[in-house]
Amino acid sequence: DTEVTQTPKHLVMGMTNKKSLKCEQHMGHRAMYWYKQKAKKPPELMFVYSYEKLSINESVPSRFSPECPNSSLLNLHLHALQPEDSALYLCASSQDSLRGNQPQHFGDGTRLSIL
Amino acid sequence: AQSVTQPDIHITVSEGASLELRCNYSYGATPYLFWYVQSPGQGLQLLLKYFSGDTLVQGIKGFEAEFKRSQSSFNLRKPSVHWSDAAEYFCAVGPNTGFQKLVFGTGTRLLVSP
Repeated sequence: DTEVTQTPKHLVMGMTNKKSLKCEQHMGHRAMYWYKQKAKKPPELMFVYSYEKLSINESVPSRFSPECPNSSLLNLHLHALQPEDSALYLCASSQDSLRGNQPQHFGDGTRLSIL
Repeated sequence: AQSVTQPDIHITVSEGASLELRCNYSYGATPYLFWYVQSPGQGLQLLLKYFSGDTLVQGIKGFEAEFKRSQSSFNLRKPSVHWSDAAEYFCAVGPNTGFQKLVFGTGTRLLVSP
């Protein structure tokens, strides 16, 4: 069982919809990450939160809006997405984003389909 | 800049046979090295990691990996493959200082034949 929980597991939405992806961890980690993974490709980093502050935005379009309400929760708000945004969205957490000997732990992802 | 190469896109192994998945990295110093496995419809699960010390590291599910500095390699091995090992395997590199941005290889898909 994964220690990083993502909901929903699947999401289908139209291009005009607004939806949110949620991620939760209870390992006491202070760094949380959003990745996008297209089929047959490795994950691509989107955002990093460190101690509840956004520390990295990998030039992600503004139709993706992250939020970290507290140290255990991470949201990704979606609005006006494009068909090419269809992908598996993975959340991960680690003890600290500046300590490499604390590996990232991944959730099972949300499979997003844009109609 | 860091980079990771997994030269094999697909590998097919008979059940019970041994396995070696190749990973080569490019980094100015000794990086942190990881192997992750991804089963269909799942997230990434950490198999093992190397930070320093003993160059042969043991992981979960009977996997091991050997760090070879001279070859810039971190190959994953398993002595006897089970059908449940069929999955996508990613090698990843992280810097040993500063922000921990993982650089992933392109992955190797393991198929297990009966």
